[in-house]
Amino acid sequence: DIQMTQSPASLSASLGETVSIECLASEGISNDLAWYQQKSGKSPQLLIYAASRLQDGVPSRFSGSGSGTRYSLKISGMQPEDEADYFCQQSYKYPLTFGSGTKLEIK
Amino acid sequence: EVQLQQSGAELGKPGTSVKLSCKVSGYNIRNTYMHWVNQRPGKGLEWIGRIDPANGNTIYAEKFKSKATLTADTSSNTAYMQLSQLKSDDTAIYFCAMGDWDVMDAWGQGASVTVSS
Repeated sequence: DIQMTQSPASLSASLGETVSIECLASEGISNDLAWYQQKSGKSPQLLIYAASRLQDGVPSRFSGSGSGTRYSLKISGMQPEDEADYFCQQSYKYPLTFGSGTKLEIK
Repeated sequence: EVQLQQSGAELGKPGTSVKLSCKVSGYNIRNTYMHWVNQRPGKGLEWIGRIDPANGNTIYAEKFKSKATLTADTSSNTAYMQLSQLKSDDTAIYFCAMGDWDVMDAWGQGASVTVSS
C-alpha cells in the first residue's frame, strides 16, 4: 500500500497568515493527489484534485502543488472559516490511502 | 445540486450485521464510482472500498474484504454497504462518497455505527 505521511499534525495560524501542509507519498503518485477539508462534525469536502486543480466553488486562497512523492497545500491568508482538519489522499493505486490529517486552528 | 443522503445511526451487537444506505439525488450513479470511508472516533479517514454501479464491480481495501459488502441499486440510485461480524472496533462514522477517477467530490453526511452489547 502507498503510505501518505502528512505534516504537521497540527498548527495554529493568525488571521491573514499563509500556511502550508505537506504530504509525502511512499512512492511516486504522478500527481494523483487530492486535498480535503473537514470541519468539526461535518463530512469532508474536496478542495484540490490532480495535485493543483481547484475544485469548483473553493476560494482561490487555497492552492496545491508538488510532483513525484512530495505535495503541499497552501492557504494564502488564513480566514476564520479555514479552521478545520485537512487530509491528503492518493488515487494513484488501490487501495486509496489518506494522510493522517492536519488540525489547523486560529492562533 | 448533487446530494448524498445516508441512512441513520445504527446500534449493533457484536457478531451481528448492519446495512447502511446512501441515496443519491441530482446525479445518475451509473456514471460514477461510489466509495465508502470510515472515521473512528477522533481519528483520520480510512478507505473501505468502492463500487462501479454500472456493472457492480467492486474493489476493497484488504482489511475490509471479509468485513464489508458493497452493492448498488441503479433503479433507486442508491448505494449500500453491509458490515458483518461486528466488533467493537467497527464503531465509527461511515461516509459514502462519489466521484470520478477515485477523487471524492461529493460526500454523504455520515452514519454513526456503534457496536455494543
